[in-house]
Amino acid sequence: NAGVMQNPRHLVRRRGQEARLRCSPMKGHSHVYWYRQLPEEGLKFMVYLQKENIIDESGMPKERFSAEFPKEGPSILRIQQVVRGDSAAYFCASSPVASSDTDTQYFGPGTRLTVL
Amino acid sequence: AQSVTQPDIHITVSEGASLELRCNYSYGATPYLFWYVQSPGQGLQLLLKYFSGDTLVQGIKGFEAEFKRSQSSFNLRKPSVHWSDAAEYFCAVGEDTDKLIFGTGTRLQVFP
Repeated sequence: NAGVMQNPRHLVRRRGQEARLRCSPMKGHSHVYWYRQLPEEGLKFMVYLQKENIIDESGMPKERFSAEFPKEGPSILRIQQVVRGDSAAYFCASSPVASSDTDTQYFGPGTRLTVL
Repeated sequence: AQSVTQPDIHITVSEGASLELRCNYSYGATPYLFWYVQSPGQGLQLLLKYFSGDTLVQGIKGFEAEFKRSQSSFNLRKPSVHWSDAAEYFCAVGEDTDKLIFGTGTRLQVFP
């Protein structure tokens, strides 16, 4: 059973461009979470999604950031008009729907975004 | 508001020595508590978790942690550290299974 997959692993963008980060949850998982890790800091929650629904987006910046988890395909975190302050590692995690493991999140390897 | 404090930013130990990483949390209800480890440039790997029951939980790689409600602590321990344990360790509290609140991490350095 493959783990959480994220791509690309590294992404370089110039200021003003768009960044798209993809996350494929573990098989059997339909809950997806996105976190951001700034240099020398811990992870900060951004958004929690289930298939076709945003459950909690309390950690998302109000502008330029959006997330989706369509019925088919990976979850996408989209950052429009990137700025240097968006440079960070973005981690996706997934958890299963109904099992004794429901409350455990499994993390992907992250996408490291660098904005020039 | 819920929060997690890891008071030690950086810890250095000799290989073979014992280890304790501190974690204190602030949470109104019975918390779900986790320890994750992050190697440089890598994602987070779950070491262990506490939901309920026995307050001493065993994890992978020889780690254990003890939940102490009276002290609002969930310290991570290992009796004998290996050089491969050098990494960043994060304590987290789960908020109603929704999101995780992470501490700022403790960087462990191991000397031979």
